[in-house]
Amino acid sequence: AQTVTQSQPEMSVQEAETVTLSCTYDTSESDYYLFWYKQPPSRQMILVIRQEAYKQQNATENRFSVNFQKAAKSFSLKISDSQLGDAAMYFCAHNAGNMLTFGGGTRLMVKP
Amino acid sequence: DTEVTQTPKHLVMGMTNKKSLKCEQHMGHRAMYWYKQKAKKPPELMFVYSYEKLSINESVPSRFSPECPNSSLLNLHLHALQPEDSALYLCASSQEGGLAGSTDTQYFGPGTRLTVL
Repeated sequence: AQTVTQSQPEMSVQEAETVTLSCTYDTSESDYYLFWYKQPPSRQMILVIRQEAYKQQNATENRFSVNFQKAAKSFSLKISDSQLGDAAMYFCAHNAGNMLTFGGGTRLMVKP
Repeated sequence: DTEVTQTPKHLVMGMTNKKSLKCEQHMGHRAMYWYKQKAKKPPELMFVYSYEKLSINESVPSRFSPECPNSSLLNLHLHALQPEDSALYLCASSQEGGLAGSTDTQYFGPGTRLTVL
C-alpha cells in the first residue's frame, strides 16, 4: 500500500519570501508520478506541479519547484516570491495505477 | 484545456430525497473519478470508471450509485443519504485508465458542496 506523509499541518510565510513544504512517501512501484495540488478556499483542486519518478531532474513551474529525492522517498515543494494568492491547502499525492494517494495536507498562510 | 465541470455547485437535500451530481469533461479522457472530501481532510476515493466501466468501488454504501453514460459524463445518484454524508464531492478525470494510470495526471472539477439535513 502507498502512503504519503506531510509532517507540517500549517506553515506561514511572509509575502515575497520563500517557503518549502515537506512530503515523504512510501511505495513499491518503480514507475510513478508525484504531484502537488493546491486547494484554495474556493475548494477546487488545482495541479501545481508533477514529477515523473524516472526523471532525475527536478520539475519547475515558474515560482514553484520540487526537490525530488527518490532514494529517500522525499518530495518537497518550494514556493519562491510568495504571493497572497498562494494561500491555500497544499496536498502532496502519489499515483499508483488509478489510485491517487494524498497526504494529510499543509495549510499555507501568506502574511502581507 | 484541462477543464472538468460539475453541477450543481451547492446542493441541500433531505434524507428521503433523491438527487444527482453531474460531472463532464471534454478532454477525451478515458478515466473518471468520484472523491468525497470532508473539511480539513484530503479527498477520499469513492469510484473509478475506466473506459466507461466501473473499475474501482472503494466499499462505498449503496446509497451512492455512480453512472457513466458515455466517456464524457459521470453522474453520482444519491438516495436516502445521512447527515454524515455532507461533504464536498469532487470529480476528476485522467487521460488513461487501468494499468497506465500510474503515470496519469488527474484533473479536478470545482466540486459540489452537499448538505444533508
